[in-house]
Amino acid sequence: SYVLTQPPSASVAPGKTARITCGGHNIGSQSVHWYQQKPGQAPVVVIYHSDDRPSEIPARFSGSNSGNTATLTISRVEAGDEADYYCQVWDSTSDQRVFGGGTKLTVL
Amino acid sequence: QLQLQESGPGLVKPSETLSLTCTVSGGSISSSSYYWGWIRQPPGKGLEWIGTISSRGSIYYNSLLRSRVTMSVHASTNQFSLNLKSVASDTAVYYCVAEAIFQGSNWFDQWGQGTLVTVSS
Repeated sequence: SYVLTQPPSASVAPGKTARITCGGHNIGSQSVHWYQQKPGQAPVVVIYHSDDRPSEIPARFSGSNSGNTATLTISRVEAGDEADYYCQVWDSTSDQRVFGGGTKLTVL
Repeated sequence: QLQLQESGPGLVKPSETLSLTCTVSGGSISSSSYYWGWIRQPPGKGLEWIGTISSRGSIYYNSLLRSRVTMSVHASTNQFSLNLKSVASDTAVYYCVAEAIFQGSNWFDQWGQGTLVTVSS
């Protein structure tokens, strides 16, 4: 089955740029979705189709995807961005929806 | 805006069946824009997709759980349900989700608030 690999943790200072990666074999050929989960809350999609953003999500959130790595970029990081972030794909060869293990973003 | 709400027992005994229902409001479960699914999250751990069902009956299950999972749609009540049998290490927060359909690149667009199900005697 398809495996997505995320670093368990990342940290960034307020106002700086955070980059969270999601690795997978030839992931650049797939659509990657990203979810933000704050403590005690349900996840929320922040990026879909690798680089599309729901209208309610700030433009500070962006995504890219190439080769074996997809990246979620958060610009001008705020304290409220501290959360767990998960990447997800649909493995069409098996019809399985797959999540990465999640990355805990800490705002210093 | 779609809203989803999980309901069901918060405590299930080992070896018994976990049963949850998700009520959809703000839209029809027969919508051609969505599939319907379940995702779980054990305490302190990551997200695990359980399965997805369409209103027309197409069903996709996590291969690791397939032997224990049954999902169904109830159009008359705008609900869908999850049954997970022979529970053991299945304590988790269970989320029902609306999966947006887009050319084989679906994503989980709307989530319920989640419900904690504990497996314990």
